Amino acid sequence: EIVLTQSPGTLSLSPGQRATLSCRASQSVNSMYLAWYQQKPGQAPRLLIFAASTRATGIPDRFTGSVSGTDFTLAISSLEPEDFAVYYCQQYDISPYTFGQGTKLEIK
Amino acid sequence: QVQLQESGPGLVKPSETLSLTCAVSGYSISSDYYWGWVRQPPGKGLEWIGNIYRSGSTDYNPSLKSRVTISLDMSKNHFSLNLNSVTAADTAVYYCARAFSEAIFDYWGRGTLVTVSS
Repeated sequence: EIVLTQSPGTLSLSPGQRATLSCRASQSVNSMYLAWYQQKPGQAPRLLIFAASTRATGIPDRFTGSVSGTDFTLAISSLEPEDFAVYYCQQYDISPYTFGQGTKLEIK
Repeated sequence: QVQLQESGPGLVKPSETLSLTCAVSGYSISSDYYWGWVRQPPGKGLEWIGNIYRSGSTDYNPSLKSRVTISLDMSKNHFSLNLNSVTAADTAVYYCARAFSEAIFDYWGRGTLVTVSS
């Protein structure tokens, strides 16, 4: 199965700063088949990005997804208080569909 | 507005079968999309369990395939998860979700905690 490794494990930033989260696949993943989710405590995950760079309905444009080879990136341009959460990447290219272990974005 | 709601026992004994149902409102599961289950052990990450399409075709995580069954009940507009021979390792919050392109999960239930314990 494809293993997704997210880094860093925890990212400590302040509101207004830019966040960059990484997700690396253990083997080639079709760049169209990578999604990002946000999860807050006690809530279900929320779809942010699919096809590596397409924002889901209602997602603000401060969230941007990109890809370079097997490295995927989620950038948040200017952090809002509600952005502090755990973020997961997911590949849906090859079953079993797998998630990264998550990056916790916390307030500094 | 599409809504999903999981239901089922919150406590299951080891070696027994975990059974959950996901009631869907605001959309007919017979129309389109995939319907799936994802679980999350306490304090850990997400694990895809499996999906089912309106045709009844299924796709399961090989790590669980021998123990899992997902089925549709179009008359009730819900789908179900059965996981047999459970152990403590199956303790998790179980989410049901709608998926497009097989596994992009755009609508989720709130999740239900299932604890495996005697």
